[in-house]
Amino acid sequence: SAVISQKPSRDICQRGTSLTIQCQVDSQVTMMFWYRQQPGQSLTLIATANQGSEATYESGFVIDKFPISRPNLTFSTLTVSNMSPEDSSIYLCSVENSNYEQYFGPGTRLTVT
Amino acid sequence: GQQVMQIPQYQHVQEGEDFTTYCNSSTTLSNIQWYKQRPGGHPVFLIQLVKSGEVKKQKRLTFQFGEAKKNSSLHITATQTTDVGTYFCAGAMNRDDKIIFGKGTRLHILP
Repeated sequence: SAVISQKPSRDICQRGTSLTIQCQVDSQVTMMFWYRQQPGQSLTLIATANQGSEATYESGFVIDKFPISRPNLTFSTLTVSNMSPEDSSIYLCSVENSNYEQYFGPGTRLTVT
Repeated sequence: GQQVMQIPQYQHVQEGEDFTTYCNSSTTLSNIQWYKQRPGGHPVFLIQLVKSGEVKKQKRLTFQFGEAKKNSSLHITATQTTDVGTYFCAGAMNRDDKIIFGKGTRLHILP
């Protein structure tokens, strides 16, 4: 399985500001995803980060609010823009191997005040 | 759209008792996966089932995929405190589809 790191691990931000979360993988992977998880809740897929092209967003998530970069096969960023308290959540990146198994990063705990 | 439902939502068991969580889909699944998330941690992949009626075991954990490939179960024998956490199932209609996560079953062990 891949080793995945995320930065920052947590942050407290003021409403109206933006935060960029980084996800680094120790090997090249094709499929990389960004999820959101409210405390005690399930995982909601935000988007698939595509290398070399625009991310594919799920219903309810838009590029203006959650711009994603994927400059290469080992790295991606997710920006949470113009934050409001409703954006307080845990944000997780994950990668998928050739067997469709997903491996998650440690997550970024975001609190918006 | 596709839905993956898990029951129960919460389960409290005495240490040493068995535990089972169930996963049901509204549609036939290509595959089902199970993940475990410890409190404060991130989801960790446990296993994937792809064949109708498949049963897989990992030590005290037994995973089963239904004959109709619409349901699955995870059974833990003789629970230990290390089993505490939330167990998620996740499935996809087709092999290349994105997996849909259930809401999870939170297991709490009473010492």
